Amino acid sequence: SAVISQKPSRDICQRGTSLTIQCQVDSQVTMMFWYRQQPGQSLTLIATANQGSEATYESGFVIDKFPISRPNLTFSTLTVSNMSPEDSSIYLCSVVGTSGGPAYEQYFGPGTRLTVT
Amino acid sequence: AQSVAQPEDQVNVAEGNPLTVKCTYSVSGNPYLFWYVQYPNRGLQFLLKYITGDNLVKGSYGFEAEFNKSQTSFHLKKPSALVSDSALYFCAVRDRGSSASKIIFGSGTRLSIRP
Repeated sequence: SAVISQKPSRDICQRGTSLTIQCQVDSQVTMMFWYRQQPGQSLTLIATANQGSEATYESGFVIDKFPISRPNLTFSTLTVSNMSPEDSSIYLCSVVGTSGGPAYEQYFGPGTRLTVT
Repeated sequence: AQSVAQPEDQVNVAEGNPLTVKCTYSVSGNPYLFWYVQYPNRGLQFLLKYITGDNLVKGSYGFEAEFNKSQTSFHLKKPSALVSDSALYFCAVRDRGSSASKIIFGSGTRLSIRP
């Protein structure tokens, strides 16, 4: 399995500002993903974080709004840029392919609860 | 394209009764199937998975799920519900045909167990 930590765990931000969320995994992983979840709703995939190259974004999400970095196999950041109240959500980091683990098992971080006022 | 359907937004069951949370899926190939649970203000926890082998898989907290290929279903079950099982449950699928395929989540079912 993988232990995933996210910082911050929660934040309240003013509209127009940006917030960077960090995701740290305790072991090297093959794939890292960023999801968004409205409270009580399902998870929506924002993008796949690729090491050493640009992230792969899902339909409806763009790099200018959600820039992502992945400098190595254990760390990634997601920035929510120029925030508006509609960005209020829970943002989750997720990983697949831990060292020694099966390729299909996916693990999730505790999430970052973002409120934009 | 992959998709997952959870037809029930909410399931209400009395404690001690059996419970079923329904899930159907659509993938182009053979699926990996998962159930996750999310307790209030908590992260997503892995509950169980179907990869291959027996169609009935057992997971955490006494839950089990049955893979039915002909009906493309993967319903979550528990013989005797506990109040502590009250949570949000997500079914998920990944197409095993591609190592780069993404896990897709259903809309979620809120399970409420009354004492």
